[in-house]
Amino acid sequence: AQSVTQLGSHVSVSEGALVLLRCNYSSSVPPYLFWYVQYPNQGLQLLLKYTTGATLVKGINGFEAEFKKSETSFHLTKPSAHMSDAAEYFCAVSDQTGGSYIPTFGRGTSLIVHP
Amino acid sequence: EAGVTQSPTHLIKTRGQQATLRCSPISGHTSVYWYQQALGLGLQFLLWYDEGEERNRGNFPPRFSGRQFPNYSSELNVNALELEDSALYLCASIRYPLSTDTQYFGPGTRLTVL
Repeated sequence: AQSVTQLGSHVSVSEGALVLLRCNYSSSVPPYLFWYVQYPNQGLQLLLKYTTGATLVKGINGFEAEFKKSETSFHLTKPSAHMSDAAEYFCAVSDQTGGSYIPTFGRGTSLIVHP
Repeated sequence: EAGVTQSPTHLIKTRGQQATLRCSPISGHTSVYWYQQALGLGLQFLLWYDEGEERNRGNFPPRFSGRQFPNYSSELNVNALELEDSALYLCASIRYPLSTDTQYFGPGTRLTVL
């Protein structure tokens, strides 16, 4: 069985500060990991994903995440926050357990950016 | 290329009624997933349709059902509505139901049960 834990339902940063959103997962097999962003009144949009290969993954809008197997983590970072980054962020894990391809999502972290 | 579309945008029903939500996937995508996003609970998987067949369903009661049409569009039906069914219902489509493939989400239908 797979699961995802996002630490902190809300994260508040100042504009220009580092953004760090935490995600830990559990999976019985090598996982595929995703970060999605949801802006108000919109669906989810893929930021980045890890499948295989390089463990540091770069995504859109200056975000990146690093897959750390030993820590079962896939934290999302951005060096400098912008007001437009304020949104809900979801981490998701997917594997082929039981032949199903159903991603499991975390509960989400709301990013608040102060001017 | 048109994205995933959902209708209606908002839906208001009363307890005990039935709700029907619709989803049109991206052209060429054969798989459709339905999720319930209730406040503070993240996305909960509801149903997965691929090539017209229900492939998997989440831990929801049978009054949540749906179908996929020959053009790959999909319908979610919720019978005997309860107050706790109030949520944003998201539809996502995918080209190939592989773990590494990206799901593309629609804007959702906001269901309010009074």
